[in-house]
Amino acid sequence: EDKVVQSPLSLVVHEGDTVTLNCSYEVTNFRSLLWYKQEKKAPTFLFMLTSSGIEKKSGRLSSILDKKELSSILNITATQTGDSAIYLCAVEALTNFGNEKLTFGTGTRLTIIP
Amino acid sequence: DGGITQSPKYLFRKEGQNVTLSCEQNLNHDAMYWYRQDPGQGLRLIYYSQIVNDFQKGDIAEGYSVSREKKESFPLTVTSAQKNPTAFYLCASSITESTDTQYFGPGTRLTVL
Repeated sequence: EDKVVQSPLSLVVHEGDTVTLNCSYEVTNFRSLLWYKQEKKAPTFLFMLTSSGIEKKSGRLSSILDKKELSSILNITATQTGDSAIYLCAVEALTNFGNEKLTFGTGTRLTIIP
Repeated sequence: DGGITQSPKYLFRKEGQNVTLSCEQNLNHDAMYWYRQDPGQGLRLIYYSQIVNDFQKGDIAEGYSVSREKKESFPLTVTSAQKNPTAFYLCASSITESTDTQYFGPGTRLTVL
């Protein structure tokens, strides 16, 4: 069965610190890895990673995929209180029927202290 | 086992037909949600329910309907009015609507033929 594991489960840091969130996966027929930020109802899409070793960047957030290690990291530099949220990792895989399915990790709860 | 289940995993529908996707949870969560995911895009909220017998439209509710007659169940009907229904549908639940942590089901892949 496909599995996505995130660590740490929760993280509390001071404003201005840099954080690294981890995601590891075991899936068959990997297609892509996605990162989401969840604050209220619907998670907000952050990044989609398909190629190993290529960093995706958006402002203070960046992410990279390591297909050899079956993992990804999400970095947030110069953290702000608005970064407090749950960060979800999800892996998209191809099923035997040729469709895609999405498996979510349990998330990392990040709290930024002013 | 505690958790959130969706059925069926794969569903095929002819154009013009309504179809209902099941979502059940035994986590005793008050809030439940339906999302749609299309290739290369993030999740989009279709409907959510904070409590039994109550539900609210999300960002893309047109062409969908829901009911919440029991706490454990939140079925989603994709009607013939939904113009582009082929997608991956995810159901989620959380303890309350104000709680951030949502637990996701395995999803249903709907294909319209």
